[in-house]
Amino acid sequence: AQSVTQLDSQVPVFEEAPVELRCNYSSSVSVYLFWYVQYPNQGLQLLLKYLSGSTLVKGINGFEAEFNKSQTSFHLRKPSVHISDTAEYFCAVKLNSIIQGAQKLVFGQGTRLTINP
Amino acid sequence: ETGVTQSPTHLIKTRGQQVTLRCSSQSGHNTVSWYQQALGQGPQFIFQYYREEENGRGNFPPRFSGLQFPNYSSELNVNALELDDSALYLCASSLTLNTEAFFGQGTRLTVV
Repeated sequence: AQSVTQLDSQVPVFEEAPVELRCNYSSSVSVYLFWYVQYPNQGLQLLLKYLSGSTLVKGINGFEAEFNKSQTSFHLRKPSVHISDTAEYFCAVKLNSIIQGAQKLVFGQGTRLTINP
Repeated sequence: ETGVTQSPTHLIKTRGQQVTLRCSSQSGHNTVSWYQQALGQGPQFIFQYYREEENGRGNFPPRFSGLQFPNYSSELNVNALELDDSALYLCASSLTLNTEAFFGQGTRLTVV
């Protein structure tokens, strides 16, 4: 079974500083990787995804992530954060398979990113 | 093109009651998945429907059940509500299997 570990439950940073949110996953088979953002009282919005190809993935709002297969990691980065980036961020994996029951997203526990002025 | 819409947005129920949550999938999407997000946790997969048939289920008891209709909208039903069922319930639709999931705003269920 797959699992996702987000190594930091909370990350406070100052505005315009860089940030990295860490994500490690466990799976014995090929997976797709995702980062979602959740603003207060909202659903989930896809930031970026890795399906195949280049290991550096660029997403919306200036975020990017790098897939590292040997370290089974998919860390999210932004070079300069804004107050509006304050939200909960979730890393998720999904099996690269259409077998019944394999289509679910498995999420980490989330990282609360707080941007201070 | 409308996105994924869920109703109601908020709901308060008493322990032991039954509840039905609704989800309208994005236009053209034939796959709907439901997730439960307890406070301070990541979403947990409940089940998925593909073309009106259940296509996988997470570790939830049988009192959690669902339906998908011919127009691909979906319902989540929970019987005999327990306090621990209090959570944000998220619906996600996909164009088909193995494609990107688009989430609705969720239904906040409080069981008292």
